[in-house]
Amino acid sequence: DAGITQSPRHKVTETGTPVTLRCHQTENHRYMYWYRQDPGHGLRLIHYSYGVKDTDKGEVSDGYSVSRSKTEDFLLTLESATSSQTSVYFCAISAQGRDYGYTFGSGTRLTVV
Amino acid sequence: KNEVEQSPQNLTAQEGEFITINCSYSVGISALHWLQQHPGGGIVSLFMLSSGKKKHGRLIATINIQEKHSSLHITASHPRDSAVYICAVARGGSQGNLIFGKGTKLSVKP
Repeated sequence: DAGITQSPRHKVTETGTPVTLRCHQTENHRYMYWYRQDPGHGLRLIHYSYGVKDTDKGEVSDGYSVSRSKTEDFLLTLESATSSQTSVYFCAISAQGRDYGYTFGSGTRLTVV
Repeated sequence: KNEVEQSPQNLTAQEGEFITINCSYSVGISALHWLQQHPGGGIVSLFMLSSGKKKHGRLIATINIQEKHSSLHITASHPRDSAVYICAVARGGSQGNLIFGKGTKLSVKP
């Protein structure tokens, strides 16, 4: 009954390869977010979506792209993975945006070697 | 200077103690969130507030908009409260994002 699931939970990939992370929700929430979490930093926004096919960049969007073709799915793609993209990635959803409650996924630990 | 500052960075308490975690911010906001990140990594939303005070069980969150400050209190702390507590603010007048603090790591000893 999580309402939001991320896949995969863990991934190891090689430098230069493309990687796609998936966020799936069953709550029909309008807003979906991708964050990365690194030691010494707070959560940082990569991209977010405010509706199907409506996305915008966050503060650390370089090297990442997103797509949202259905309400329930928000995909994060690393076009050509680099070691600096080794991180824990969290997806979050919100019914009405940043002034309302958020629900977070369990996270994806990505290691780029 | 970070727009959201939390203090302390680390906190160790004995079971049963009253705990306070502070969050100060430097921007105008429309809302402030408190989150809890468990040792296993999952993040849970505890509170969202724009004024006053909210209470849920042993947790109390307060905000003073004029002073740009919020506190999270835990009464009768328990080892299961051990986690990282994260403050995040929604910047007023802009779309999209929350600005996150770096978190306060709380350890409650039995």
